[in-house]
Amino acid sequence: GQSLEQPSEVTAVEGAIVQINCTYQTSGFYGLSWYQQHDGGAPTFLSYNALDGLEETGRFSSFLSRSDSYGYLLLQELQMKDSASYFCAVRDRVLQKLVFGTGTRLLVSP
Amino acid sequence: SQTIHQWPATLVQPVGSPLSLECTVEGTSNPNLYWYRQAAGRGLQLLFYSVGIGQISSEVPQNLSASRPQDRQFILSSKKLLLSDSGFYLCAWRAGGDEQYFGPGTRLTVT
Repeated sequence: GQSLEQPSEVTAVEGAIVQINCTYQTSGFYGLSWYQQHDGGAPTFLSYNALDGLEETGRFSSFLSRSDSYGYLLLQELQMKDSASYFCAVRDRVLQKLVFGTGTRLLVSP
Repeated sequence: SQTIHQWPATLVQPVGSPLSLECTVEGTSNPNLYWYRQAAGRGLQLLFYSVGIGQISSEVPQNLSASRPQDRQFILSSKKLLLSDSGFYLCAWRAGGDEQYFGPGTRLTVT
């Protein structure tokens, strides 16, 4: 099976940089993806890493290291609107379903 | 472009009553469809997924069931709701890669 662990909560101030980690145990997966969910809303796709290394999309970057079973989401120039929950996820190679991490609540303060 | 619809947005139901939540997807064909439940402040629990019409995989044994009567329609049902069924129900679809799209969700309160 698959399991993905994330810190439950991270706090930071506006303008700062924050890193949200994701460690996983999986028997086989295609890549690591990240989703953002604001309170009361649905999750939305942020980024995807099929290969090891860093993927950058604007203020957000995501990193994957398969050898370390580890990935992270990096948020730069934090804004108040970045306050949300962030989930990492992997797609099971056999069952074709996404397995989500435990989720990290990011609180951005002024 | 693809769109996913869910209704109703909110629902308050008494214990023991039936449930039917509907999800439809537009703008794509043969999507993989998913039902998730999320308790307040918690993660996403996968309930059911479907890779085709009439094909349903259940993740968690419970009093819920799912059906896929048409290619782009996914229905979540219960014959008798329990208090523990309260939560935020999310339908999602995925075409082929890892990018999954979620509907707006239904907030269910069982009283």
